[in-house]
Amino acid sequence: KAGVTQTPRYLIKTRGQQVTLSCSPISGHRSVSWYQQTPGQGLQFLFEYFSETQRNKGNFPGRFSGRQFSNSRSEMNVSTLELGDSALYLCASSSEGRLRGEKLFFGSGTQLSVL
Amino acid sequence: AQSVAQPEDQVNVAEGNPLTVKCTYSVSGNPYLFWYVQYPNRGLQFLLKYITGDNLVKGSYGFEAEFNKSQTSFHLKKPSALVSDSALYFCAVRDGGNQGGKLIFGQGTELSVKP
Repeated sequence: KAGVTQTPRYLIKTRGQQVTLSCSPISGHRSVSWYQQTPGQGLQFLFEYFSETQRNKGNFPGRFSGRQFSNSRSEMNVSTLELGDSALYLCASSSEGRLRGEKLFFGSGTQLSVL
Repeated sequence: AQSVAQPEDQVNVAEGNPLTVKCTYSVSGNPYLFWYVQYPNRGLQFLLKYITGDNLVKGSYGFEAEFNKSQTSFHLKKPSALVSDSALYFCAVRDGGNQGGKLIFGQGTELSVKP
């Protein structure tokens, strides 16, 4: 079974631009969540989608948005990029995402650099 | 609010020696605790979890973790460290009920195993 696939692997953007990151979950997984990883703040939850609906949201500004398609693939978008948005963005999938004991499967991430 | 803390930014161990990576938690209700490992330029990989039952949980790659309710700790252990165990380790607690949820991560502990 293929793992979680994130594209692109690296991105370089300038301040004020917008960016779209893509995530393909493991086949059969319907829950997709996104995390931001930075050296200073560590791993922070952005949002979670299940069956095309946002089910949970973290404490990020409205510039961060996402969506999920009918095939469970997900995209996240960051508009009006700021220098502080430079981070590794990780996508994780799980089959249902409902059970608290369920483990997450992570992709390798997209490294975003904002100049 | 749920939280986890990893008091050590870095742990250094000689190959063949036992290792411990510490984690303490603060939760309301029953804790759902996880350990993940991150190798350079990779996403996170699941190591083990505690939901209920035995306080000693066995996981991947020879790792185990001891759940201690009175000390609110969930330390990761391995009897004999390998150089290949060198990586970044994250303790996490599952937030939310059975309608989705998110993982709340500790800041991470960098494990360095020297030959």
